[in-house]
Amino acid sequence: GAGVSQTPSNKVTEKGKYVELRCDPISGHTALYWYRQSLGQGPEFLIYFQGTGAADDSGLPNDRFFAVRPEGSVSTLKIQRTERGDSAVYLCASEAGGTGELFFGEGSRLTVL
Amino acid sequence: RKEVEQDPGPFNVPEGATVAFNCTYSNSASQSFFWYRQDCRKEPKLLMSVYSSGNEDGRFTAQLNRASQYISLLIRDSKLSDSATYLCVVDNYGQNFVFGPGTRLSVLP
Repeated sequence: GAGVSQTPSNKVTEKGKYVELRCDPISGHTALYWYRQSLGQGPEFLIYFQGTGAADDSGLPNDRFFAVRPEGSVSTLKIQRTERGDSAVYLCASEAGGTGELFFGEGSRLTVL
Repeated sequence: RKEVEQDPGPFNVPEGATVAFNCTYSNSASQSFFWYRQDCRKEPKLLMSVYSSGNEDGRFTAQLNRASQYISLLIRDSKLSDSATYLCVVDNYGQNFVFGPGTRLSVLP
């Protein structure tokens, strides 16, 4: 497709479970970002990839969160031992060539019961 | 102090009004500045970049004051379709982008 695609769009899980969220960026975009957004707040930075490597993972809140981008395209955000506080919309964005324009997917809404 | 702060809002204005949003940032090394728009339950989308000399796009004008670390967005002749949350965005040492909490605008008929 032409835009950033995220799956699943909605995920409900129980506390303690493992979750994977997938992002398929715009073809040719080398930079990929993960953010999470809680109701009434702005997106909070989690991690940034340039190609296959994580250029900045300073936003990951703790070691339960991990993200990969093995072939420099699709990325997966992995959350272990989910907690209720992890409930949020997880947004993925890709960027073309340092323009500063982020193209966001529609997000994955995670609810931890 | 938060890295990017914005007017808390919400702003409720009548159609045709002029409204201004303010944003301050803490990282004096930041080089890139943007305004994004986010409709309810949708993803953010770029509204406009903010340049040092100030820039205008139709009814929208953005200003940057580096000395005061302050960014503004002015919307003239507000339309119902301008109702959204406006997010101020600043780069962080060229690595990632920091979003402000957003200011919600409701334009009323």
